[in-house]
Amino acid sequence: SQQGEEDPQALSIQEGENATMNCSYKTSINNLQWYRQNSGRGLVHLILIRSNEREKHSGRLRVTLDTSKKSSSLLITASRAADTASYFCATGLLSGGYNKLIFGAGTRLAVHP
Amino acid sequence: NAGVTQTPKFRVLKTGQSMTLLCAQDMNHEYMYWYRQDPGMGLRLIHYSVGEGTTAKGEVPDGYNVSRLKKQNFLLGLESAAPSQTSVYFCASSYPGRAMNTEAFFGQGTRLTVV
Repeated sequence: SQQGEEDPQALSIQEGENATMNCSYKTSINNLQWYRQNSGRGLVHLILIRSNEREKHSGRLRVTLDTSKKSSSLLITASRAADTASYFCATGLLSGGYNKLIFGAGTRLAVHP
Repeated sequence: NAGVTQTPKFRVLKTGQSMTLLCAQDMNHEYMYWYRQDPGMGLRLIHYSVGEGTTAKGEVPDGYNVSRLKKQNFLLGLESAAPSQTSVYFCASSYPGRAMNTEAFFGQGTRLTVV
């Protein structure tokens, strides 16, 4: 089974509303990252939060991390139609002394004008 | 800079055929990854490499082989393609940095269909 699992699987909102996506994971991590994927394209990195950080902001994005609950959330404020995409969390794990990046199944966000 | 480039972008194979997917990065990154993406499954790690000449298995390595003979290139091979390997394949690279906390850069993907 996958390390990270996003919730919800799909989210539909109106422009201007906030969108919240959650990610849960199973093992200890170095960091947790969020990526965005537009349909049929490669993934683009949004934000990284280290395991010793609890909250991080970047523009309209806010990420929280709760290592005790092994969960993270991504908040997109004042959403726009251009935010329509799939969003993935990825956990950076130490394995044999090296870092590997494991992705969840993603949340499909649709923002309607 | 080109970033991460994957070739080919599309390919159709017959069952049993072999092929190699090429990933090239021009950012001098140490780490490179191969993922496959299937509907509803997100990205699953096939193999990865932490430096030239090294490779390691990911979550779903069976049926694939990889090589990292040059730092900038990471090859993914299918020796005998099966319909279950129909997927979109993504390559990524990253520079590990201190404490391994850096982002990954992705290619645009290779859409492979095995018939």
